[in-house]
Amino acid sequence: DIRMTQSPASLSASLGETVNIECLASEDIYSDLAWYQQKPGKSPQLLIYNANSLQNGVPSRFSGSGSGTQYSLKINSLQSEDVATYFCQQYNNYPRTFGGGTKLELK
Amino acid sequence: EVQLVESGGGLVQPGRSLKLSCAASGFTFSNYYMAWVRQAPKKGLEWVATISTSGSRTYYPDSVKGRFTISRDNAKSSLYLQMNSLKSEDTATYYCARQGKLPGYNYFDYWGQGVMVTVSS
Repeated sequence: DIRMTQSPASLSASLGETVNIECLASEDIYSDLAWYQQKPGKSPQLLIYNANSLQNGVPSRFSGSGSGTQYSLKINSLQSEDVATYFCQQYNNYPRTFGGGTKLELK
Repeated sequence: EVQLVESGGGLVQPGRSLKLSCAASGFTFSNYYMAWVRQAPKKGLEWVATISTSGSRTYYPDSVKGRFTISRDNAKSSLYLQMNSLKSEDTATYYCARQGKLPGYNYFDYWGQGVMVTVSS
């Protein structure tokens, strides 16, 4: 199984700040990497797919990058509505696996 | 508008069975793989099952293989998850999710609101 290690597990940032979340795969996943946002009490929503493609309707302050085993999600100019838990997920191989999540809070 | 609406959750005793349903609308259901993903209380996401467009191929993680069965009815635009021999560790919110069928597009692009399953005596 491909293990997805996300860091940090939690993060506190101020409005307007830039935030980075990392995701490390245990083997090469060839950019088959998605990022999801889950707000409290809600279902996950797709933000980024293929490591760096922005899903329709997602604000441009979100961006993804990376290749091979190392990937990252960047949020520019943090907004209050960005408070959520973020998950990475690989879809290169079965079983599909998720990172443990990064809980983002406002400072 | 894509909509996925799960139903069938509830409280069930260990060792018993439960069947979840997901009603899909707003897209051509038969053109997409479909999946179930669960989330235990205060925990992360765990993929549970995937089914191909025709239903001929199914995929499961070891944690549910042999106990859970995913199926679909394309005529009814419905997805199902038959859960047998339930264990306390199956307690979770279960999400129905749409999954792209082509390599490189296998991510979950739409999710339902989720249905809670509690396994307890």
